[in-house]
Amino acid sequence: GESVGLHLPTLSVQEGDNSIINCAYSNSASDYFIWYKQESGKGPQFIIDIRSNMDKRQGQRVTVLLNKTVKHLSLQIAATQPGDSAVYFCAEILPGGSEKLVFGKGTKLTVNP
Amino acid sequence: ETGVTQSPTHLIKTRGQQVTLRCSSQSGHNTVSWYQQALGQGPQFIFQYYREEENGRGNFPPRFSGLQFPNYSSELNVNALELDDSALYLCASHLRAGGNNEQFFGPGTRLTVL
Repeated sequence: GESVGLHLPTLSVQEGDNSIINCAYSNSASDYFIWYKQESGKGPQFIIDIRSNMDKRQGQRVTVLLNKTVKHLSLQIAATQPGDSAVYFCAEILPGGSEKLVFGKGTKLTVNP
Repeated sequence: ETGVTQSPTHLIKTRGQQVTLRCSSQSGHNTVSWYQQALGQGPQFIFQYYREEENGRGNFPPRFSGLQFPNYSSELNVNALELDDSALYLCASHLRAGGNNEQFFGPGTRLTVL
């Protein structure tokens, strides 16, 4: 069955604050994880990825943390801006070579001015 | 914006009809995946095409079928449309080589079945 899920469906933060979006996965053999941002009326946009041989990866204002012990993934957004308001999905690629993305339900981030 | 394009943007059909959705992959990409996204849900994998052949399929019935052309563009066909087929259909492309799995999504086609 589908194995990726999110802890919270919505998150509201003040502009300038840091945001943390969480994700749990159930397949310990998954080896690649991606965070996507989806704005209204658009397709998912790649934010950052991480492979299972890493614990942390940083991008521009974003950091992804992977805790394989508890099968938990998080996305940290520094100095959140109104343009960050969107639905965020974590996705995993299951082992086996099919390269299909398994998405969770998403977390809607709202940034208040 | 990614280089993945989809057409049409919106489509309205009635139950029992057939629909064809189109996707042009980003330049240099050889693999196309299709996803169905119901309102308020995450995208669900339908199938993937690589070298013009189906390479993996999700939990969708046979009335969902596809094609990939020599230029790597792709079509998704759905026969005998049902009300529950109403969704955003997303196409994603990537280069299947050396473990690079980053998939780039198009804007989607919004299908409404009445």
